[in-house]
Amino acid sequence: AQKITQTQPGMFVQEKEAVTLDCTYDTSDQSYGLFWYKQPSSGEMIFLIYQGSYDEQNATEGRYSLNFQKARKSANLVISASQLGDSAMYFCAMREGTDNFNKFYFGSGTKLNVKP
Amino acid sequence: DVKVTQSSRYLVKRTGEKVFLECVQDMDHENMFWYRQDPGLGLRLIYFSYDVKMKEKGDIPEGYSVSREKKERFSLILESASTNQTSMYLCASSSDSQFYLGYTFGSGTRLTVV
Repeated sequence: AQKITQTQPGMFVQEKEAVTLDCTYDTSDQSYGLFWYKQPSSGEMIFLIYQGSYDEQNATEGRYSLNFQKARKSANLVISASQLGDSAMYFCAMREGTDNFNKFYFGSGTKLNVKP
Repeated sequence: DVKVTQSSRYLVKRTGEKVFLECVQDMDHENMFWYRQDPGLGLRLIYFSYDVKMKEKGDIPEGYSVSREKKERFSLILESASTNQTSMYLCASSSDSQFYLGYTFGSGTRLTVV
């Protein structure tokens, strides 16, 4: 079974509007971490936001927030006030357990296009 | 600024060649990883290392090997390159003590095997 599922291969959003990128995960561990990365056309993966499985509040980093619904095993990324520079691929990732070499699982990504 | 550096941005190699992809990090991270990225498949783990001279197979190790002789350097080796290894290769590193920071990635190497 897929550990991380991103069901939106591509999305469009109007500049200055908010957008939600979906992510569901599958794990039987109680301790895990969820991450979102941005990959612009240059290719480099940029860390955006982190949510721990025991965190009670949703993580926020500037215009990024993570809508964490533990019972539903979803970790959607919300980008507020979209900008043209937000056009990129976005990957959801998960690290399970407490391995000391924290192996990650990645989803297949969502390509976001911000329209002017 | 902390960095993961991959030696080549673009590479073109011939079928059957032995190919070396180099990755160096300057953050004193314990863990290093090699992924390949293909459209629609996301990132797939090839090999990882949690210490010098230690290596573990990831999800798709066939046709690859790795070397970690020094903490800062993790090399991916394609023993005999094939066209189905044409892909984007991403190196990453992470710290045991700063798990919440996730990975730091290099800029990637786009390898074409002809």
